[in-house]
Amino acid sequence: GQQVMQIPQYQHVQEGEDFTTYCNSSTTLSNIQWYKQRPGGHPVFLIQLVKSGEVKKQKRLTFQFGEAKKNSSLHITATQTTDVGTYFCADPSSNFGNEKLTFGTGTRLTIIP
Amino acid sequence: KAGVTQTPRYLIKTRGQQVTLSCSPISGHRSVSWYQQTPGQGLQFLFEYFSETQRNKGNFPGRFSGRQFSNSRSEMNVSTLELGDSALYLCASSLRGEQFFGPGTRLTVL
Repeated sequence: GQQVMQIPQYQHVQEGEDFTTYCNSSTTLSNIQWYKQRPGGHPVFLIQLVKSGEVKKQKRLTFQFGEAKKNSSLHITATQTTDVGTYFCADPSSNFGNEKLTFGTGTRLTIIP
Repeated sequence: KAGVTQTPRYLIKTRGQQVTLSCSPISGHRSVSWYQQTPGQGLQFLFEYFSETQRNKGNFPGRFSGRQFSNSRSEMNVSTLELGDSALYLCASSLRGEQFFGPGTRLTVL
């Protein structure tokens, strides 16, 4: 079946350093979503990418969708302690819309103050 | 608007028992999806309901079932609980593709 892998599984960075997580799908994606889950919390929607090669920015976060629509990345510039959590990419595939998410394996980010 | 609510937040059951979890979506959201989160398997899709009908289904055994009521509230049921069913069960409601997750129900099976 369809698989969505993320690397790395864990990332420890000093506060102020940059962070990147990569998402790879075994199949071509129609679009991709990113979620953040804080420790002890629930996933929170960050963004959706739809177009091949699309790049979107949210303050210090930069999201990219690959040209072949089989991979995506999330880059955080100058990490802060508030960035701690697990970042998931997700393939929203369904015949009806985006209500069936296949989540990636996630990257857990910890910040060393 | 109030967010997605789930009850109970924590639950302890023993093997062989059954359990029912409840989810109230954001007002106006008609789609409710359920997910299981475990350290080993990550976040996995269980099923999705829209207007009281199951539209999407994940790869879980028949012990896992759900339903949706006319007010969009949803329940999921797990029968004959196994130790491996211990997990965080999350529900999410959506309106136009963006899913809003509830805080989850932490189920422990002893």
